[in-house]
Amino acid sequence: DTGVSQDPRHKITKRGQNVTFRCDPISEHNRLYWYRQTLGQGPEFLTYFQNEAQLEKSRLLSDRFSAERPKGSFSTLEIQRTEQGDSAMYLCASSSRNREKNTEAFFGQGTRLTVV
Amino acid sequence: AQSVTQLGSHVSVSEGALVLLRCNYSSSVPPYLFWYVQYPNQGLQLLLKYTTGATLVKGINGFEAEFKKSETSFHLTKPSAHMSDAAEYFCAGSLNQGGKLIFGQGTELSVKP
Repeated sequence: DTGVSQDPRHKITKRGQNVTFRCDPISEHNRLYWYRQTLGQGPEFLTYFQNEAQLEKSRLLSDRFSAERPKGSFSTLEIQRTEQGDSAMYLCASSSRNREKNTEAFFGQGTRLTVV
Repeated sequence: AQSVTQLGSHVSVSEGALVLLRCNYSSSVPPYLFWYVQYPNQGLQLLLKYTTGATLVKGINGFEAEFKKSETSFHLTKPSAHMSDAAEYFCAGSLNQGGKLIFGQGTELSVKP
């Protein structure tokens, strides 16, 4: 396994456009997390999935943000009507949490979004 | 509610000197604690973790951390800094392994030749 993969690595978009990011977790991991990291800050939790179920969403996740994990494998994070304040690094992480195995979170390289 | 605080947003040491990065946590239950390192424009790489058991935890690249419940601390140390240690370091806590992480603000480590 090559680890957590995120695509694209960089995205520049105009204000008001929609963007979608993809995350492919480590294959046997059942949990998938999205975090947002702005310059000079630690990552902040946005949302997470256990298999295909979205179990928690942060208040940071406005209604312009939507995340899916339709088959419990890869996930997408969409931002509609982007604003300059959405400029950040979006990090995806996966982990395993079940009766057989618990692991820590493994992070992808992130997608850096710049809204101009 | 759980929170993680890192004291010092920027630490500078000389090559070969001791590295000490401070982290304090606040939690209603004993947490799982982690240190991650981040190089520019990269994701986070796990350095070490405390789950249960031994309070002195050894990680990669010569780093270690000690969980001190009485002081609610989990400071990161390395006896001798190397130039390649220059990076951003994040302390994080979770109520369970594999669960949602609460991060500190990060500490940027600079290493002078």
